[in-house]
Amino acid sequence: AQSVTQPDIHITVSEGASLELRCNYSYGATPYLFWYVQSPGQGLQLLLKYFSGDTLVQGIKGFEAEFKRSQSSFNLRKPSVHWSDAAEYFCAVGYGSGNTGKLIFGQGTTLQVKP
Amino acid sequence: GAGVSQTPSNKVTEKGKYVELRCDPISGHTALYWYRQSLGQGPEFLIYFQGTGAADDSGLPNDRFFAVRPEGSVSTLKIQRTERGDSAVYLCASSPGGGSKTQYFGPGTRLLVL
Repeated sequence: AQSVTQPDIHITVSEGASLELRCNYSYGATPYLFWYVQSPGQGLQLLLKYFSGDTLVQGIKGFEAEFKRSQSSFNLRKPSVHWSDAAEYFCAVGYGSGNTGKLIFGQGTTLQVKP
Repeated sequence: GAGVSQTPSNKVTEKGKYVELRCDPISGHTALYWYRQSLGQGPEFLIYFQGTGAADDSGLPNDRFFAVRPEGSVSTLKIQRTERGDSAVYLCASSPGGGSKTQYFGPGTRLLVL
């Protein structure tokens, strides 16, 4: 069965430090990949997406992610974290041609930012 | 423009009762999805509509759960004989369709079954 793994349940970084959140997926065909962010009591906001082409994708709020097929990974990065980045981050994988089918989400990584 | 909206934002019910959760997708979006998010977990797929029809309902946990989208816009998720284990946040998402793969999520309905 398809699955998405976010190995880090909780990460704490200092404000201004760099950030990398890990995501690994298991799937045979070419996936399409997303990172979403969820603040407490809020829905999911799309940060960035990868469908095809350039494997380094830029998103909102200064985030980027790199698709590495050989490692089945889609790690999220930010060079300098702001206190407002504290939230829960979800990696999601979709499959199938044409319209989206279901997305499979990881368990999420909670980011805490120290002042 | 307006995003995906969901009502109610919170719902408290008693075990055994019937509940309906509503989703208004982004105008013009033909694809609509329901997910369920339990505490400390990522969202789990329930059902996907393309237009009025359910194209994939493989995520519905049992026959107490049912969803409709009669006019291809608003959708209602219906849960019969609610159980305490149904307590979760129910998220709705919509997508433009026509090959677009991006899903846009609403704020969710937090359901608590006592």
